[in-house]
Amino acid sequence: AQSVAQPEDQVNVAEGNPLTVKCTYSVSGNPYLFWYVQYPNRGLQFLLKYITGDNLVKGSYGFEAEFNKSQTSFHLKKPSALVSDSALYFCAVRVQAGTALIFGKGTTLSVSS
Amino acid sequence: DAEITQSPRHKITETGRQVTLACHQTWNHNNMFWYRQDLGHGLRLIHYSYGVQDTNKGEVSDGYSVSRSNTEDLPLTLESAASSQTSVYFCASSDIKRSGTGELFFGEGSRLTVL
Repeated sequence: AQSVAQPEDQVNVAEGNPLTVKCTYSVSGNPYLFWYVQYPNRGLQFLLKYITGDNLVKGSYGFEAEFNKSQTSFHLKKPSALVSDSALYFCAVRVQAGTALIFGKGTTLSVSS
Repeated sequence: DAEITQSPRHKITETGRQVTLACHQTWNHNNMFWYRQDLGHGLRLIHYSYGVQDTNKGEVSDGYSVSRSNTEDLPLTLESAASSQTSVYFCASSDIKRSGTGELFFGEGSRLTVL
């Protein structure tokens, strides 16, 4: 069965430091991978996606993610964190186009000033 | 601008009552989805639809139903609300033909409390 794991419930970083939010997946076939962000009392917003090609994908708000097929990972990264990046982040996977997304449980990112 | 709207945003109901959560999108997307968000579980898929008259069960469909009579709307009905259905519900839509990969666009959520 397809699944997504976000091993950290919470990640704490200081403003200006690099951040990483981890995601691993388990699917049969080639995955379509996504990152979403959720601010308090809001819906989820799309950040970036990996479909094929370059393993490093760039997205909104300076975020990027690295696809690693051998480690079945798709970690979210940002070189310099902002306090405004504090939010709940979800990794998601789709096995083939047209199917629903499977979401991880989410990781709360807290950036301190 | 095109958007996806959910109503009501907040609702309190009693055990056993029927509840319907509305979802309306103006993007003309073929695909629509309902998820519930619970602490410790992330988002779990309830039902989804790939077009008019098409509905499919997701991971946690028991106690829920949907109908798709037009492209714009996918109402979610709780036939007999239970306390375990207290949650935040999110509607989402996507269009494979336009995006090629079908990232989801989410509504703002409906918070349901069943007493």
